[in-house]
Amino acid sequence: ETGVTQTPRHLVMGMTNKKSLKCEQHLGHNAMYWYKQSAKKPLELMFVYNFKEQTENNSVPSRFSPECPNSSHLFLHLHTLQPEDSALYLCASSQGQVAGTGELFFGEGSRLTVL
Amino acid sequence: GIQVEQSPPDLILQEGANSTLRCNFSDSVNNLQWFHQNPWGQLINLFYIPSGTKQNGRLSATTVATERYSLLYISSSQTTDSGVYFCAVEDNNAGNMLTFGGGTRLMVKP
Repeated sequence: ETGVTQTPRHLVMGMTNKKSLKCEQHLGHNAMYWYKQSAKKPLELMFVYNFKEQTENNSVPSRFSPECPNSSHLFLHLHTLQPEDSALYLCASSQGQVAGTGELFFGEGSRLTVL
Repeated sequence: GIQVEQSPPDLILQEGANSTLRCNFSDSVNNLQWFHQNPWGQLINLFYIPSGTKQNGRLSATTVATERYSLLYISSSQTTDSGVYFCAVEDNNAGNMLTFGGGTRLMVKP
């Protein structure tokens, strides 16, 4: 069992739907991340939260809205997505350090299909 | 930003064979990790190795930070080693941003 759990594992949604992805980490880490993995592309960092504060937004469109209510939980709210947003969305956590990320641990991913 | 290149992009092995995967990066790093992505998509930590050598069972990794590369060795490969291996690095000025290489897709045949 991974220390980072994501739900749902699979999601199919229409372009007008609103849905959310959830991530929970049980490792006592202070930093949480959303990554996107599209076919034939390297992993792309989307958002970073350190102690519940957003520290990175990697030019992500506003149709993706993150929320971090505490250091253990991270959400990605989705609305009016496009078919090209179909991808594997990966949550990760780390004991973030002053000088950088620290060792990163990933969840199992949420595979999103936008119709 | 920092560039990360992995080679080879694809690798097919017969079960029991050994292999070496390479990760080159373009700048000094304070973080380097190797991951294995299984067929279900999960990224599994293999090594956190900004410098030096580490071993874990049949896997070992070496990072030569001064020469800006890291190697992942897989010995006596098994079919369960199949998947994609990623190297990810963080340069000294990147804050909380790991940059991933394009991966090496490994298939181990029985």
